[in-house]
Amino acid sequence: EAGVAQSPRYKIIEKRQSVAFWCNPISGHATLYWYQQILGQGPKLLIQFQNNGVVDDSQLPKDRFSAERLKGVDSTLKIQPAKLEDSAVYLCASSEQLGQGARNEQFFGPGTRLTVL
Amino acid sequence: AQSVTQLGSHVSVSEGALVLLRCNYSSSVPPYLFWYVQYPNQGLQLLLKYTSAATLVKGINGFEAEFKKSETSFHLTKPSAHMSDAAEYFCAVSRSSGSARQLTFGSGTQLTVLP
Repeated sequence: EAGVAQSPRYKIIEKRQSVAFWCNPISGHATLYWYQQILGQGPKLLIQFQNNGVVDDSQLPKDRFSAERLKGVDSTLKIQPAKLEDSAVYLCASSEQLGQGARNEQFFGPGTRLTVL
Repeated sequence: AQSVTQLGSHVSVSEGALVLLRCNYSSSVPPYLFWYVQYPNQGLQLLLKYTSAATLVKGINGFEAEFKKSETSFHLTKPSAHMSDAAEYFCAVSRSSGSARQLTFGSGTQLTVLP
């Protein structure tokens, strides 16, 4: 079974530039998550999708971050414009349909490491 | 609201020694608890999870954890450390009910295994 795919793996940009990350979840997984992991910290949830709808985006800095999952499969996360404090690893995870008890295990992709100069 | 506290951001053990990584949680509802491992430049891999069944949970790579409600703890152990166990370990909590099932992570513990 193929895992969660993310690209690019690394990205270096200057502050005020824009950047986009792509995630392809495990086939059949309805729920998709984007996390931000700052160096030395645990992952922090940015946004959660169920199919193509947003379940929770309360921790997404909406003035600069946006995310979409138009067809309920792939997702993109965008930052525009980037700030120095956005330097982090952005992790994508997916899980089966919500409501299936303990089977909501999240499977993580390798992440995209963003450096903002 | 839920939260997780991992005691000790860095732990060093000798190869063959006992590994003990500490995790305490706070949750207003019965929790699900998880331990994840992260190797350099990789995503998180699930080691084990507690979902209200047996309080002693066995995971992959010889790790296990015990849910202790009275102590609000879910410490991770392994009887004998191997060099390949060197990685960062994260404890996480989620609600056992409701639709969101979001994970709240601790700040992580970096495990070093000394030869």
